[in-house]
Amino acid sequence: SQKIEQNSEALNIQEGKTATLTCNYTNYSPAYLQWYRQDPGRGPVFLLLIRENEKEKRKERLKVTFDTTLKQSLFHITASQPADSATYLCALEAGGTYKYIFGTGTRLKVLA
Amino acid sequence: ETGVTQTPRHLVMGMTNKKSLKCEQHLGHNAMYWYKQSAKKPLELMFVYSLEERVENNSVPSRFSPECPNSSHLFLHLHTLQPEDSALYLCASSQGGGSSYNSPLHFGNGTRLTVT
Repeated sequence: SQKIEQNSEALNIQEGKTATLTCNYTNYSPAYLQWYRQDPGRGPVFLLLIRENEKEKRKERLKVTFDTTLKQSLFHITASQPADSATYLCALEAGGTYKYIFGTGTRLKVLA
Repeated sequence: ETGVTQTPRHLVMGMTNKKSLKCEQHLGHNAMYWYKQSAKKPLELMFVYSLEERVENNSVPSRFSPECPNSSHLFLHLHTLQPEDSALYLCASSQGGGSSYNSPLHFGNGTRLTVT
């Protein structure tokens, strides 16, 4: 079955540095991959989508890469701020129009 | 403010109770979802409705019963739950289907359910 792994449960970085989060998947070749942000007590919020034929996607301080050979996506936050502290989830479409599966998430804490 | 509203935000129920979770979306989407989120586990897809027809039922126990009366409303009816069903239940919507299958999910803020 399809499986998604996000490399670490928690990541602490210093304000101003670049945070890099990893999402690895197995047993599937998704056409696209999505990243979400989730704050405590709230539902996930969509951030970025990257398609299999796109190597990189940017949105303000966010950058996502997608390597279909390595079966990996990297999510970068540049010039990180304490307000970026949250849990970040990756998700992929898994063999059905509506069947999204999610990773367990990485809890990012940006230290002032 | 999210375009997907869930009520109640918190619910405590005994194992013999019957209760319902409600979800309403104001985004004009045609697909609605129920997900379960437990600590240290990935989001688990439970049910999907597209144009009010159930298109995914992810081996969910029959003590969870979904209902989608129209494309804006989704319910999850609960009865004789177990303590391990305690979790955050998230509703989501998307403009899904066909060529727009990569439409992102819009989530509500969930119902925190505790089964005692």
